Amino acid sequence: EVQLVESGGGLVQPGRSLRLSCTASGFTFGDYGMSWVRQAPGKGLEWVGFIRSEAHGGTTDYAASVKGRFTISRDDSKSIAYLQMNSLKTEDTAVYYCTREFRGYSSDCWGQGALLTVSS
Amino acid sequence: QSALTQPASVSGSPGQSITISCTGTSSDVGGYNYVSWYQQHPGKAPKLMIFDVSNRPSGVSYRFSGSKSGNTASLTISGLQAEDEADYYCSSYRSSSTPRVFGTGTKVTVL
Repeated sequence: EVQLVESGGGLVQPGRSLRLSCTASGFTFGDYGMSWVRQAPGKGLEWVGFIRSEAHGGTTDYAASVKGRFTISRDDSKSIAYLQMNSLKTEDTAVYYCTREFRGYSSDCWGQGALLTVSS
Repeated sequence: QSALTQPASVSGSPGQSITISCTGTSSDVGGYNYVSWYQQHPGKAPKLMIFDVSNRPSGVSYRFSGSKSGNTASLTISGLQAEDEADYYCSSYRSSSTPRVFGTGTKVTVL
């Protein structure tokens, strides 16, 4: 069974950092690009960024709202994708979903989400 | 970076068909066949329903279909059922510094 499990969420003060992890199972992790999508409380979905597979260069792209503050990385040996979040703002408060990229521009598998609350 | 435009809500009776629109520009919906649709029930993660404008992933009901005309994509749900009541989001590739964008979301109510 294909499964993604996010971890590392919690309460953090503005300006601080936090790293989310996404542990994958049930598929060959290294063959897929991975994305992060967030959803603020009561709001819609917002694409955060993604990382391509190593076969496609392992490069990253980010939404303008997080570029320069957030970094996505991956460890294919552990089947884990990471979202490093720095200089956090209150508006970063959201549930963060890890997703598996499908055919380059869709997400066919989603984790259960990790809640990040940025507040003093 | 502006989101794609969807109606806030759409409703229909069981057995009816409804259509949800998703309007973008020539830089996203109109320029590429990379529109996908997601269903999200309250408190749950989204689920992929349509990819590449009109393709259904394995396991998704034939009652869900997608199409596109110009800068507007559409999701049609035929034979509406109570379980279809959920939020629906479109998404598209966009040729910009933010290469993926979601729609504003549509709440579907089954009357």
